[in-house]
Amino acid sequence: GAVVSQHPSRVICKSGTSVKIECRSLDFQATTMFWYRQFPKKSLMLMATSNEGSKATYEQGVEKDKFLINHASLTLSTLTVTSAHPEDSSFYICSARDLAGSYNEQFFGPGTRLTVL
Amino acid sequence: KNQVEQSPQSLIILEGKNCTLQCNYTVSPFSNLRWYKQDTGRGPVSLTIMTFSENTKSNGRYTATLDADTKQSSLHITASQLSDSASYICVVSSGSSSNTGKLIFGQGTTLQVKP
Repeated sequence: GAVVSQHPSRVICKSGTSVKIECRSLDFQATTMFWYRQFPKKSLMLMATSNEGSKATYEQGVEKDKFLINHASLTLSTLTVTSAHPEDSSFYICSARDLAGSYNEQFFGPGTRLTVL
Repeated sequence: KNQVEQSPQSLIILEGKNCTLQCNYTVSPFSNLRWYKQDTGRGPVSLTIMTFSENTKSNGRYTATLDADTKQSSLHITASQLSDSASYICVVSSGSSSNTGKLIFGQGTTLQVKP
């Protein structure tokens, strides 16, 4: 159990286009999901906390108009990178928190590799 | 400042050998400590989670220890296999009400197991 999926796993787009990444909790409900960004050989950096039915909370330095987050249901959160530029190329990982678990554990998705040309 | 530091930064061992990875943290208040394995190009996968009252936890060939007094943790891998080659990340969850659910990540230890 406790599986989190992401789609797509890999996307290549042209500069100026928008890209949507989906994060789904497959076998549990997640009122809270998290979006991370990871650069090569670096650890995960939290971008925003996504709460079902309310606005996301963004970390300092993350542009909320650039990275749109929608958490419309208890099993789905989406991250839209608007007007993507080459510097947005990165590995994006989501996680979902299972409140039913004993440790409020976060389960991570497999990640989405975004390449902006 | 909440911080998690890991050592060594990278490690190369021969297949079949054991190794131990270290994690020191300064996180307050402390909720739990987690070790994750992250394969290249994949998301992190949980190995162990420990609260302050747990000082050891095993998951197959992985054994994690926690000393809440010295704020240190270790991950011991026995009889290493080629598939153990990955980045191992120590993550501490803060029990602060303002940071509920936020994780503080170490920089990771990159382990390479050679045949």
